[in-house]
Amino acid sequence: AQKVTQAQTEISVVEKEDVTLDCVYETRDTTYYLFWYKQPPSGELVFLIRRNSFDEQNEISGRYSWNFQKSTSSFNFTITASQVVDSAVYFCALSEIRDFNKFYFGSGTKLNVKP
Amino acid sequence: EAGVTQFPSHSVIEKGQTVTLRCDPISGHDNLYWYRRVMGKEIKFLLHFVKESKQDESGMPNNRFLAERTGGTYSTLKVQPAELEDSGVYFCASSQDKLARMNTEAFFGQGTRLTVV
Repeated sequence: AQKVTQAQTEISVVEKEDVTLDCVYETRDTTYYLFWYKQPPSGELVFLIRRNSFDEQNEISGRYSWNFQKSTSSFNFTITASQVVDSAVYFCALSEIRDFNKFYFGSGTKLNVKP
Repeated sequence: EAGVTQFPSHSVIEKGQTVTLRCDPISGHDNLYWYRRVMGKEIKFLLHFVKESKQDESGMPNNRFLAERTGGTYSTLKVQPAELEDSGVYFCASSQDKLARMNTEAFFGQGTRLTVV
């Protein structure tokens, strides 16, 4: 079974719209990390955020914000006032205490921001 | 500082041929990881090196795949013989310490797109 599910395969928005990328995870461990990575057209995966399982506080970084809810096993990512440069594939990932060196990624959500 | 570099960026080979992918981690990073994304699906873990030793190779799909990291610097991933289902994007990542340490981050390369025809 897939440990990380990103149900949205592709999303298209118009610039300045807000957009939320969904991530649902599954783990039996009580200690784990959750991540978001961005893959721009250049191909590399760019780290955006890491959140540990004991910290449910929402985080905001500029136009980016993350909503971590253990009750629903979700770690959603919102981009406010989207820009064309936000166009990329976004991956959510999980690592568990049994082996923090192994990431479980979702299948990614491709975000298209149109001018 | 140079990031994680992967060669080649693209490779197209025929079924049955051999291909070798290379990854140069960030200098000084002892930990090196290989992942792959097949057909737009999730990115899956292949293996983890600590210096030249394989720490975890539980994700290697079969014995047609061979990863090496001689001298603990760059790593190669050889596929021999390649099959159609091996097509995908192969990512390499490196980290200075093991990822259990709070302030340790994994840096990923741009990937090698392998197409087996």
